[in-house]
Amino acid sequence: ETGVTQTPRHLVMGMTNKKSLKCEQHLGHNAMYWYKQSAKKPLELMFVYNFKEQTENNSVPSRFSPECPNSSHLFLHLHTLQPEDSALYLCASSQDLGGGRPQFFGPGTRLTVL
Amino acid sequence: AQSVTQLDSQVPVFEEAPVELRCNYSSSVSVYLFWYVQYPNQGLQLLLKYLSGSTLVKGINGFEAEFNKSQTSFHLRKPSVHISDTAEYFCAVSPEPGYSTLTFGKGTMLLVSP
Repeated sequence: ETGVTQTPRHLVMGMTNKKSLKCEQHLGHNAMYWYKQSAKKPLELMFVYNFKEQTENNSVPSRFSPECPNSSHLFLHLHTLQPEDSALYLCASSQDLGGGRPQFFGPGTRLTVL
Repeated sequence: AQSVTQLDSQVPVFEEAPVELRCNYSSSVSVYLFWYVQYPNQGLQLLLKYLSGSTLVKGINGFEAEFNKSQTSFHLRKPSVHISDTAEYFCAVSPEPGYSTLTFGKGTMLLVSP
């Protein structure tokens, strides 16, 4: 595997379910990100991790819970979601948080909340 | 804080014609600038970036962009497009100096027809 991988690619869940999204990067990077991409809206940064420590939480509702056990893996735990949470969730990584570092994105998980 | 405006939500163009996708930004500090492309059902891929130096930046797939500080613009151009260039294009900025967190525009859908 190369680059940034995400599983599952598609997920359908009910409002009472609990599920997790997984991201893995094979680039040796130290920073990882979760984004939400909804139709007709700019990408929304959700969380940032640097060397496994959370450095940014963009006022994300607590029904989204991130976990970063090491610099290569990032999870997004989901519970009691709402239909408006349906979106494409993108994971990204960068060398670190230094200015100008490009981010490398995974293919995303298409989430549908019924 | 930064903001990015992509003036066109959709740009239709014929194959082999030139194209320009417009991007303007607003920031109280200097910024780094990026263009990303998103093909259907995929994540974002870095096309090119401007960090410093020459204001004309060349990227992958024959794309180039020009940084204009006085007009706070970073327009993307290609002299001759292909059907395979059909995709959504995102302009993004990050502050200099500072963290590499990106602020994205809403995207421009480039539609190339035969």
